[in-house]
Amino acid sequence: KAGVTQTPRYLIKTRGQQVTLSCSPISGHRSVSWYQQTPGQGLQFLFEYFSETQRNKGNFPGRFSGRQFSNSRSEMNVSTLELGDSALYLCASSNPSGGSGELFFGEGSRLTVL
Amino acid sequence: QQQVKQSPQSLIVQKGGISIINCAYENTAFDYFPWYQQFPGKGPALLIAIRPDVSEKKEGRFTISFNKSAKQFSLHIMDSQPGDSATYFCAASLSGNTPLVFGKGTRLSVIA
Repeated sequence: KAGVTQTPRYLIKTRGQQVTLSCSPISGHRSVSWYQQTPGQGLQFLFEYFSETQRNKGNFPGRFSGRQFSNSRSEMNVSTLELGDSALYLCASSNPSGGSGELFFGEGSRLTVL
Repeated sequence: QQQVKQSPQSLIVQKGGISIINCAYENTAFDYFPWYQQFPGKGPALLIAIRPDVSEKKEGRFTISFNKSAKQFSLHIMDSQPGDSATYFCAASLSGNTPLVFGKGTRLSVIA
């Protein structure tokens, strides 16, 4: 069974640009969560989607947005990039229905903002 | 507001020793406490998890100890090995579709 796939793995942007990151969950998983990982703050929750609906949202500005498609694939977008947005963005999928609550993480997309 | 506080930030342990990482939480409604392990270049992966109806859970060399009254839980790695060198994250959540809240992580180095 294929794991969670995130693309691109690495990207470099400049301040003011926008970026779109993609996540393909494990087959059959309908929940996709996004986390931002930085050395100083650890893993911070961005948002969660389930069946194309945003179910939970973390404490991030509106520049951070996401969506989920009917095939459970998800994208997140960051507009008007700031230097502080440099981070590893992790996507995780899970199977809430009868599942253990375990999150299965991808390897992340490392964003560098110059 | 940090809901899960993890310590230490980094830890160096001799091979064969015991690694201990501690976490404290604030929300008494939390009822699911997992630990995730992350190797460089990889995403975190579930290591072991506990619910508050038990005080201890052991899986191989890994043990979670849970103290509900103190709102603390800890990970013990017995007979630590160089292959255990990784970053460990504790987390907590309310079961029933609420997001995991993570601690800031502990970088463990096991030296021979």
